Amino acid sequence: SQTIHQWPATLVQPVGSPLSLECTVEGTSNPNLYWYRQAAGRGLQLLFYSVGIGQISSEVPQNLSASRPQDRQFILSSKKLLLSDSGFYLCAWSHGAQETQYFGPGTRLLVL
Amino acid sequence: AQSVAQPEDQVNVAEGNPLTVKCTYSVSGNPYLFWYVQYPNRGLQFLLKYITGDNLVKGSYGFEAEFNKSQTSFHLKKPSALVSDSALYFCAVRAPGGGSYIPTFGRGTSLIVHP
Repeated sequence: SQTIHQWPATLVQPVGSPLSLECTVEGTSNPNLYWYRQAAGRGLQLLFYSVGIGQISSEVPQNLSASRPQDRQFILSSKKLLLSDSGFYLCAWSHGAQETQYFGPGTRLLVL
Repeated sequence: AQSVAQPEDQVNVAEGNPLTVKCTYSVSGNPYLFWYVQYPNRGLQFLLKYITGDNLVKGSYGFEAEFNKSQTSFHLKKPSALVSDSALYFCAVRAPGGGSYIPTFGRGTSLIVHP
């Protein structure tokens, strides 16, 4: 069966510090991968998605970036965090033909 | 363009009563429709989806949803609510065919089931 992992689970970082969140998927190959941010326990904002290694699409301009160095690894990064980057970050995967997205447990980021 | 609306921020229901969480959508062509549930500080969990076929879709934990093309709705229902059903519920829609595989999510509806 497929599983999706995210780490860390919780992170407290000062403003201006760098960020690296990691997401890995097991039990499947060539998944579509997604990064979402959820603010205040509400709606999801799509940040990035990827349909293959090295292929990243950005949905919103901001100080975040994403990379996909391996087929089942998706990394969210920032060189300098802002207060507004605080939130709950969710990684998800899907197989295009099946459409359903499967979400990881999330990372709670607090920028102080 | 595709969009989805969840008109209620919160739904309150007594345990044992039926529940409905509303969702309407706008998309070109026949939609792919999804419901997800999120418990506090957790990721979203898939409940059910409609792609084609029977308009009544049955999913996990006793939930079901009915696709109504004329009303462009996909309301989530359960005959008898449990306190443990209290969570945040998201409806999502995706246009059919190829291209990007990006669904659009609603803002979510908080379901509170009272004992």
